[in-house]
Amino acid sequence: DTEVTQTPKHLVMGMTNKKSLKCEQHMGHRAMYWYKQKAKKPPELMFVYSYEKLSINESVPSRFSPECPNSSLLNLHLHALQPEDSALYLCASSQRTGTGGSNEQFFGPGTRLTVL
Amino acid sequence: DQQVKQNSPSLSVQEGRISILNCDYTNSMFDYFLWYKKYPAEGPTFLISISSIKDKNEDGRFTVFLNKSAKHLSLHIVPSQPGDSAVYFCAASATGGFKTIFGAGTRLFVKA
Repeated sequence: DTEVTQTPKHLVMGMTNKKSLKCEQHMGHRAMYWYKQKAKKPPELMFVYSYEKLSINESVPSRFSPECPNSSLLNLHLHALQPEDSALYLCASSQRTGTGGSNEQFFGPGTRLTVL
Repeated sequence: DQQVKQNSPSLSVQEGRISILNCDYTNSMFDYFLWYKKYPAEGPTFLISISSIKDKNEDGRFTVFLNKSAKHLSLHIVPSQPGDSAVYFCAASATGGFKTIFGAGTRLFVKA
């Protein structure tokens, strides 16, 4: 199974809402990533988890809160978002560990988020 | 500051001909390079990679060339097929690191 799944596919939320994005992989990968992609732009790294611990936070605003409940699951909790946060949110996983492993990342299809 | 640059936003090629997508990088610490393909409404899909100890890597119709002195890499697709029409992202990373920096992408159109 080389699939990364993400739910929901689409999400529309108001600026006062609280919602969560979910990501799951069963490839045994110990690194999981959240990216944000705006139209006609490259994916931008937000967070990296390695062995269920937050390894990288690219100075992301606190209204985005990641969580890694176990080695297969990755969540992104959203609260008090702004309209400019509307984007495609991509989850990825890889075999990369702190000392090596393949850097090839497997991406999910993304969640298209619209903040009204 | 863009560390990975794809200066051609789009490229149009006739079916059966060669497609050449180019990528430049600025960070000398990068030693592993990847190409991803992205169709609309899907996440990027890994295509091919190359380590800095090599100057060429081939996988079927896809070949990646690396010129370290020029900090330049290119992806060759031969022969191009209509199904290759997609956005192609060049990406770079450093050994042991988790960060992968993506270029802005090149949209390839392969005409039948």
